[in-house]
Amino acid sequence: NAGVTQTPKFRVLKTGQSMTLLCAQDMNHEYMYWYRQDPGMGLRLIHYSVGEGTTAKGEVPDGYNVSRLKKQNFLLGLESAAPSQTSVYFCASRDIQTNEKLFFGSGTQLSVL
Amino acid sequence: GEDVEQSLFLSVREGDSSVINCTYTDSSSTYLYWYKQEPGAGLQLLTYIFSNMDMKQDQRLTVLLNKKDKHLSLRIADTQTGDSAIYFCAESSTTNTPLVFGKGTRLSVIA
Repeated sequence: NAGVTQTPKFRVLKTGQSMTLLCAQDMNHEYMYWYRQDPGMGLRLIHYSVGEGTTAKGEVPDGYNVSRLKKQNFLLGLESAAPSQTSVYFCASRDIQTNEKLFFGSGTQLSVL
Repeated sequence: GEDVEQSLFLSVREGDSSVINCTYTDSSSTYLYWYKQEPGAGLQLLTYIFSNMDMKQDQRLTVLLNKKDKHLSLRIADTQTGDSAIYFCAESSTTNTPLVFGKGTRLSVIA
């Protein structure tokens, strides 16, 4: 059971480039989330999804887009990367039917030069 | 919006008890969590408590909740070097609302 898998684990972009971060979970969870973690800032919610085909904005959504075309996948897109988006990105999923806890992926370290 | 506050650093000697404190502002918080993050890894749930509880104990971990003061604490007994990590407090008002995290407390254990 892989849990929550994020790809890639590391990426370096130039300002203005685009990329997509993939999150996949094999636990049949309804809810999925994208957080960013910055030093001294803790975890901040970017976007989340409460089910296939749905997305919602979190605390810091600007500069990001998401899609949830399949229940098991939650994609985070950066259309035009900026240095301020240098961060560690975490995906998480949650099964509200059985318990309340979040399962986290191991993170994606993104640097924008 | 909701806010969760915790101190950023804590240093303790091996074998001592560690107490990490957290305050939150959302009076409707129903679920309160403690997550642990080791270097280079994602967050893992340590324990959680419902708002109708005052205390929860799980082996070396004791969680205390003062709902009146909106204060949550995590006590780690007999702290070991393997407990060195960042500890995050988080809350949510329902199972449908995203968790709100504090900034994390970096625990350093001195041998």
